[in-house]
Amino acid sequence: DTEVTQTPKHLVMGMTNKKSLKCEQHMGHRAMYWYKQKAKKPPELMFVYSYEKLSINESVPSRFSPECPNSSLLNLHLHALQPEDSALYLCASSQEELGSTEAFFGQGTRLTVV
Amino acid sequence: GESVGLHLPTLSVQEGDNSIINCAYSNSASDYFIWYKQESGKGPQFIIDIRSNMDKRQGQRVTVLLNKTVKHLSLQIAATQPGDSAVYFCAENTGGFKTIFGAGTRLFVKA
Repeated sequence: DTEVTQTPKHLVMGMTNKKSLKCEQHMGHRAMYWYKQKAKKPPELMFVYSYEKLSINESVPSRFSPECPNSSLLNLHLHALQPEDSALYLCASSQEELGSTEAFFGQGTRLTVV
Repeated sequence: GESVGLHLPTLSVQEGDNSIINCAYSNSASDYFIWYKQESGKGPQFIIDIRSNMDKRQGQRVTVLLNKTVKHLSLQIAATQPGDSAVYFCAENTGGFKTIFGAGTRLFVKA
């Protein structure tokens, strides 16, 4: 199994809603990532978890709250988002450091904030 | 600051021809480079990588060239096929978990 599975595929939420994005991998990877990708732009790193501990937070606003319940799961909790947060949110995993081994990306969650 | 960019935002090639996608980087400390392919509606897919102690690496129909003197990276795709149509990103890593993606090049393959 070389898949990173993200749910839901699409999400529309209001600015006062609370929602969560989920990511799952069963490749035994110890590093997991959240990226944000706006249309026609490259992915931008948001968070990195290594061995279930938050390793990098790229100065992401607190309305985005990551969580790593176990080594296979990664969540992104969303609260009080703004329309400009609408984007494709990508989850990725890698065996070790992202810069050393192949990174696997999920298909993303297309988020629209209304 | 750190930056990874591409010379050409779009590239159109005839099916069967070879494609070359270029990328410039500015961080001399980068020691690992990756090419990703992203098809519409999908996440990026790893194509090939290269370390800074190498200048060339070959995969199946793809070759990555690294010129550290001019901080230039290229991806060569042999016998380009319609299935190669996608956006291609170069990315650089300076160590650890932080990988910076370049702006991307859209490749169109004409049948």
